[in-house]
Amino acid sequence: AQSVTQPDIHITVSEGASLELRCNYSYGATPYLFWYVQSPGQGLQLLLKYFSGDTLVQGIKGFEAEFKRSQSSFNLRKPSVHWSDAAEYFCAVGVLRSSTLTFGKGTMLLVSP
Amino acid sequence: DTGVSQDPRHKITKRGQNVTFRCDPISEHNRLYWYRQTLGQGPEFLTYFQNEAQLEKSRLLSDRFSAERPKGSFSTLEIQRTEQGDSAMYLCASSSASGENEQFFGPGTRLTVL
Repeated sequence: AQSVTQPDIHITVSEGASLELRCNYSYGATPYLFWYVQSPGQGLQLLLKYFSGDTLVQGIKGFEAEFKRSQSSFNLRKPSVHWSDAAEYFCAVGVLRSSTLTFGKGTMLLVSP
Repeated sequence: DTGVSQDPRHKITKRGQNVTFRCDPISEHNRLYWYRQTLGQGPEFLTYFQNEAQLEKSRLLSDRFSAERPKGSFSTLEIQRTEQGDSAMYLCASSSASGENEQFFGPGTRLTVL
């Protein structure tokens, strides 16, 4: 079965600084990979997804992520963080012929002035 | 595209009572999913429908939980004889059958069992 690890429970970044959130997955074949963001009390919003092709994918709100097969990673990046980016971020993996997503435990992003 | 909607947004109930939640997916989506999210955790899969057929259920879905999607449109999730451990956010998502499994989530129903 597939699994997702987000090693950082909390991360604090200064506004304007760059951001990288880590995600490692476990699955024997090429997975479908997603990053979602969740603001307090809200549902999840899809930031970006990787299915195949170019390993660097662009998403909404200035986010990007890079799929690295050799490291089983799909880290999320943003060059300059805004205070409104403070939220919880979830990495998820989906697999071919299965319609469910497996989520990591999330990383809470705090943005300091 | 009005997005996925869920009702109610919040539900407070006493232990032992039954509760029912509703999810309305994006209209052209034929797949519908229920997830549960507890504090400090990511969403965990409960069950999934393609049209009106319930195709997969997690072992997390005990006998007290039942989900339906009678006409392949909206879905309901019922919890019978609620327990304090059922307190969680219940999330609904929908997707098309394109095979890429891009799921769109609703705002969730926050259940508190006293």
